[in-house]
Amino acid sequence: DAKTTQPPSMDCAEGRAANLPCNHSTISGNEYVYWYRQIHSQGPQYIIHGLKNNETNEMASLIITEDRKSSTLILPHATLRDTAVYYCIVRAIYNFNKFYFGSGTKLNVKP
Amino acid sequence: SQTIHQWPATLVQPVGSPLSLECTVEGTSNPNLYWYRQAAGRGLQLLFYSVGIGQISSEVPQNLSASRPQDRQFILSSKKLLLSDSSFYLCAWSSPDSPSYEQYFGPGTRLTVT
Repeated sequence: DAKTTQPPSMDCAEGRAANLPCNHSTISGNEYVYWYRQIHSQGPQYIIHGLKNNETNEMASLIITEDRKSSTLILPHATLRDTAVYYCIVRAIYNFNKFYFGSGTKLNVKP
Repeated sequence: SQTIHQWPATLVQPVGSPLSLECTVEGTSNPNLYWYRQAAGRGLQLLFYSVGIGQISSEVPQNLSASRPQDRQFILSSKKLLLSDSSFYLCAWSSPDSPSYEQYFGPGTRLTVT
């Protein structure tokens, strides 16, 4: 599976959009991009995933560049409850049993 | 809707004692099941996964074992705990019917070995 690179931490003002970047320059055509978040002392929460197209759900939007080498998770109106570690994961379709979580990005939403 | 349960939420055990952590999933059939471990401030490490009753795959050699006695039950065990087994243990499931196999996690068990 492709390796991902994320900044270790980011700050965002409450009510503003939070844009979390992820670099996955070695991604191949059969690999999905997944985003999870983990609030302190809880299990990771699934947010969204995508293959080629941009995706949106009730929690967030996922923007994948045309060459698929990077992506951005967008939380449109961040709240204090969005403070968490956000993980970007790339995984091959055939490697269905293996998620590899790196260190992620600690998002601090400030009032 | 699907729900995943883990218990206990916290556990303190002495070195050398046995361990049994339980995970159950509701609202789905024949899920893929997973055990992860997370050291403080670190990412998750996959320990075991199972695609069916009695079918267990181990990712890393360790002091732990896993069993799946029923379709929606996954158990993590140890005969003798080590200090290094102190960690946050997470169970997860995914649907074999989903083409993207996204995983859904339980609330976790925080284990402290003293």
